[in-house]
Amino acid sequence: DTAVSQTPKYLVTQMGNDKSIKCEQNLGHDTMYWYKQDSKKFLKIMFSYNNKELIINETVPNRFSPKSPDKAHLNLHINSLELGDSAVYFCASSPRDRATSGGAGTQYFGPGTRLTVL
Amino acid sequence: RKEVEQDPGPFNVPEGATVAFNCTYSNSASQSFFWYRQDCRKEPKLLMSVYSSGNEDGRFTAQLNRASQYISLLIRDSKLSDSATYLCVVTGYSSASKIIFGSGTRLSIRP
Repeated sequence: DTAVSQTPKYLVTQMGNDKSIKCEQNLGHDTMYWYKQDSKKFLKIMFSYNNKELIINETVPNRFSPKSPDKAHLNLHINSLELGDSAVYFCASSPRDRATSGGAGTQYFGPGTRLTVL
Repeated sequence: RKEVEQDPGPFNVPEGATVAFNCTYSNSASQSFFWYRQDCRKEPKLLMSVYSSGNEDGRFTAQLNRASQYISLLIRDSKLSDSATYLCVVTGYSSASKIIFGSGTRLSIRP
């Protein structure tokens, strides 16, 4: 049973295109995240949603737009792709309450989507 | 100064050795600390939380030093399967807290 799943696993596309990555979690968590891991392996948070509401929005170009149709799904749409967008994008989820489950730092990651922009 | 800093390594140690690495953080108000493990071309996975009193899970021991603002991870009797990148994470209590991942320390265990 996959806890956090992402599709697609690989995405190769041309500069200027628009693409979407989907994420689903079946852990019943309230909070979901998108991270970008660049070629230097630095993992940086992009967005966080809690129960469909945006709660963290780091300095990310507005070409990136997250959408959460329900608390089990958090999709990422990217417009006008650029070379610098090439990276691995990870979706994650975490339980809400630290008292019960460790809170925001207890993250369950999806397998990642390797995006290559040509 | 970076918010969370780790020695990138690589640490190259023989099987059976004990290895330790630290992670320093700049925000003294940070509340929660964790160690994650990331294998090559895989997603990060939670290794252990770091409690104020320190905690141990088998061969792994995590410590927090609030006065000097660092956390540490000690691995005893290292196995080949311990080869991975170890990421420290610093955050607050709530789901809206800023979550900062360190850039990771690469560990390679040789036979």
